[in-house]
Amino acid sequence: EAQVTQNPRYLITVTGKKLTVTCSQNMNHEYMSWYRQDPGLGLRQIYYSMNVEVTDKGDVPEGYKVSRKEKRNFPLILESPSPNQTSLYFCASSSPRGRAAEAFFGQGTRLTVV
Amino acid sequence: AQSVAQPEDQVNVAEGNPLTVKCTYSVSGNPYLFWYVQYPNRGLQFLLKYITGDNLVKGSYGFEAEFNKSQTSFHLKKPSALVSDSALYFCAVRDSSGTGGFKTIFGAGTRLFVKA
Repeated sequence: EAQVTQNPRYLITVTGKKLTVTCSQNMNHEYMSWYRQDPGLGLRQIYYSMNVEVTDKGDVPEGYKVSRKEKRNFPLILESPSPNQTSLYFCASSSPRGRAAEAFFGQGTRLTVV
Repeated sequence: AQSVAQPEDQVNVAEGNPLTVKCTYSVSGNPYLFWYVQYPNRGLQFLLKYITGDNLVKGSYGFEAEFNKSQTSFHLKKPSALVSDSALYFCAVRDSSGTGGFKTIFGAGTRLFVKA
């Protein structure tokens, strides 16, 4: 089954404690991205990757890092989480061929930073 | 710059009645337009998209959307709403010309309530 898998689904952590949210896709997609969803703001892009070892900032990259060492994986790293990073996070993947491809989304990770 | 507006935070409709969820957009070139649906505790699921051609696009679960270039709108519609259609709906736009890379902009979302 084609899918994007995120882990963990729920996470409560304390300010400053480094964490990683994993994302993996099994569709051989080149393009992957991370979004955060906040009420009234929709989805805002944090980082994206066009292919292995190619990453770039989205609209709200501050406080986040990513890496793309393998095509299937695109982890999101919070080096020093703060309460304003409490949010619902989604990983998505798509194939950019033709530029009109829709995105496949993971189930989401609800992060609370206290 | 690309932008998407969903002017209604919430839409309420009775089961069996037609529904419309509104979306307007702004891009510098020609748009690719998408609708996604999010059910509780789930990720976004693709419903339909407009690339080119026929202005009326049909998608999953009986949904359709009408592209109107002069009004820069892409409203989501369904002839007869079901209680199970209750969810959060997102409109999204991507510039087909390549301006802004592969970036997709999402609207803030519209919550649809279908009452039995």
